[in-house]
Amino acid sequence: QSVLTQPPSVSGAPGQRVTISCTGASSNIGAGYDVHWYQQLPGTAPKFLISGNSNRPSGVPDRFSGSKSGTSASLAIIGLQAEDEADYYCQSYDSSLSGWVFGGGTKLTVL
Amino acid sequence: EVQLVESGGGLVQPGGSLRLSCAASGFTFTTSAMTWVRQAPGKGLEWVSAISGSGGGTYYADSVKGRFTISRDNSKNTLYLQMNSLKAEDTAVYYCAKDRGGYAGAGYWGRGTLVTVSS
Repeated sequence: QSVLTQPPSVSGAPGQRVTISCTGASSNIGAGYDVHWYQQLPGTAPKFLISGNSNRPSGVPDRFSGSKSGTSASLAIIGLQAEDEADYYCQSYDSSLSGWVFGGGTKLTVL
Repeated sequence: EVQLVESGGGLVQPGGSLRLSCAASGFTFTTSAMTWVRQAPGKGLEWVSAISGSGGGTYYADSVKGRFTISRDNSKNTLYLQMNSLKAEDTAVYYCAKDRGGYAGAGYWGRGTLVTVSS
């Protein structure tokens, strides 16, 4: 059972928009800690996708965007491409656990 | 270019020990906090442990506290994870990652090393 809750899967057709939610609690996202997102392509290591709720590291396409409100955060992907098919994880810090916490991951399927 | 290369994984019996290493290059290692994250087969990511740049601060997930020890040798630009009293549930790919500091996540990840705990 992950501390942050994500939907197990989402899907969309090429060119469409999808969103992935990440729900936390008052000890992590709700306490003001930033949410970060990682993309994990099949068989590879995670890659930093979104930092500090909504910032894209250099090289990340602007099709990816993040937001945060209250105890939740979201990752949005517009103009879906086949290469976006991957697992996506949200991550924050939890003051009760004194460590990082991850969501369970969301598998994105491009139809 | 930042590079993180893990090594030391393998097959170990329950109750056994293993030491993982992570060789770092392409950035100032001595001022960078570092983190270990693991991923059990077919499962999600789990934070394991973190260490400050100086090595003076160490942090552990409850699931490994008292069994795992994180350390670093700044003269060798290398991060370590000493794993003792290993259990079947410790079976996972272990990734080292460069912590961006200030609760800012992991900017760079290694390719990981597989640890299998089985008799």
